[in-house]
Amino acid sequence: DQQVKQNSPSLSVQEGRISILNCDYTNSMFDYFLWYKKYPAEGPTFLISISSIKDKNEDGRFTVFLNKSAKHLSLHIVPSQPGDSAVYFCAASQGAQKLVFGQGTRLTINP
Amino acid sequence: ETGVTQTPRHLVMGMTNKKSLKCEQHLGHNAMYWYKQSAKKPLELMFVYSLEERVENNSVPSRFSPECPNSSHLFLHLHTLQPEDSALYLCASSQATQGPGNTIYFGEGSWLTVV
Repeated sequence: DQQVKQNSPSLSVQEGRISILNCDYTNSMFDYFLWYKKYPAEGPTFLISISSIKDKNEDGRFTVFLNKSAKHLSLHIVPSQPGDSAVYFCAASQGAQKLVFGQGTRLTINP
Repeated sequence: ETGVTQTPRHLVMGMTNKKSLKCEQHLGHNAMYWYKQSAKKPLELMFVYSLEERVENNSVPSRFSPECPNSSHLFLHLHTLQPEDSALYLCASSQATQGPGNTIYFGEGSWLTVV
């Protein structure tokens, strides 16, 4: 039973445009959500997080939106840059319990 | 440079060898993790140590044996592995009691190839 799902295995976006990565979850008790970015042959790097008491968190070009009623999380990157090409993982947790990760979405930014 | 350092970055071992992966965190965290990433699969949590005690073992075969001598160091001892164990092994750490959530920080990973 996969509690966190990223249904798009890949996404291709033109440089300068907006990239939108989506994530759905099934456990309504999750109260903390994160996005990680991973380059090949490296470990995931923490990008941005959001608590369930918020519906939006912004950090520079990265914005995470949380829709609790739909159990949906999204990451917006604008403007997209070539260095954003990577695999993006969403993750969720309940309280201080372990993180549950999605399968990842490979983002490719085309020049 | 991350606050979580893994060595070696690459390891090739035979099925009868015994080797170890090492992880060190410089973030003052009190929880450490081993994850496995295989091709086209989600990150798989293997082991969790909190305050140097193992709190989770996700049905990992006994040929993988973790060791946490203190809150800054974590080892994964490998013995009689199979070719299907070839993967990227990621160490991570977090402040277990941190609120509101549990942000974990990963090392760069150790690429393991079993031949």
